Amino acid sequence: LAKTTQPISMDSYEGQEVNITCSHNNIATNDYITWYQQFPSQGPRFIIQGYKTKVTNEVASLFIPADRKSSTLSLPRVSLSDTAVYYCLVVRNSGGYQKVTFGTGTKLQVIP
Amino acid sequence: NAGVTQTPKFRVLKTGQSMTLLCAQDMNHEYMYWYRQDPGMGLRLIHYSVGEGTTAKGEVPDGYNVSRLKKQNFLLGLESAAPSQTSVYFCASRSFLDVFTDTQYFGPGTRLTVL
Repeated sequence: LAKTTQPISMDSYEGQEVNITCSHNNIATNDYITWYQQFPSQGPRFIIQGYKTKVTNEVASLFIPADRKSSTLSLPRVSLSDTAVYYCLVVRNSGGYQKVTFGTGTKLQVIP
Repeated sequence: NAGVTQTPKFRVLKTGQSMTLLCAQDMNHEYMYWYRQDPGMGLRLIHYSVGEGTTAKGEVPDGYNVSRLKKQNFLLGLESAAPSQTSVYFCASRSFLDVFTDTQYFGPGTRLTVL
């Protein structure tokens, strides 16, 4: 599986747009990029997944350039409740079972 | 729908004791997973199951056993607990119909301390 690298931590003020970039240089053709969010003392929660270009849902946007060696999670106008750890995963669909590896994630602290 | 539930929420064991963690899901998901998360770390896969009666090893299986006798339940056992197994344990499930997505649904976690 492609190893992912993302910043250990980030701070942002309320109302700002936050962009968290993840690099995955060894991503393979069958791999997808997935992001999860984890609040303290809770299990991770799926945010968004994409293969290429741009994906948007009600929570976030995911930008993936043509070479797919990196991806950027964009959170619009963050609030204090967005303080959490964000994990970038490369997911490989291997005939039914999907291999996933959670790294250490990016700890986002939203400041009032 | 309760989603994914875990029992117990907290547990303290002495070295050498045994225990079983129970994970239950009511979403009729085929896949179930057990992870552990140590302070400041990401999640590491212990064991997983792709269906009732099947289990497989993940990244860190040593010291743990699992069973999936019923589709909705996935049990994680520690036969002889060691302090190195002090961690937060998360269970997750996923539908096999999510072929091109990785939407895992996680439980609230079990905080285990081994003295």
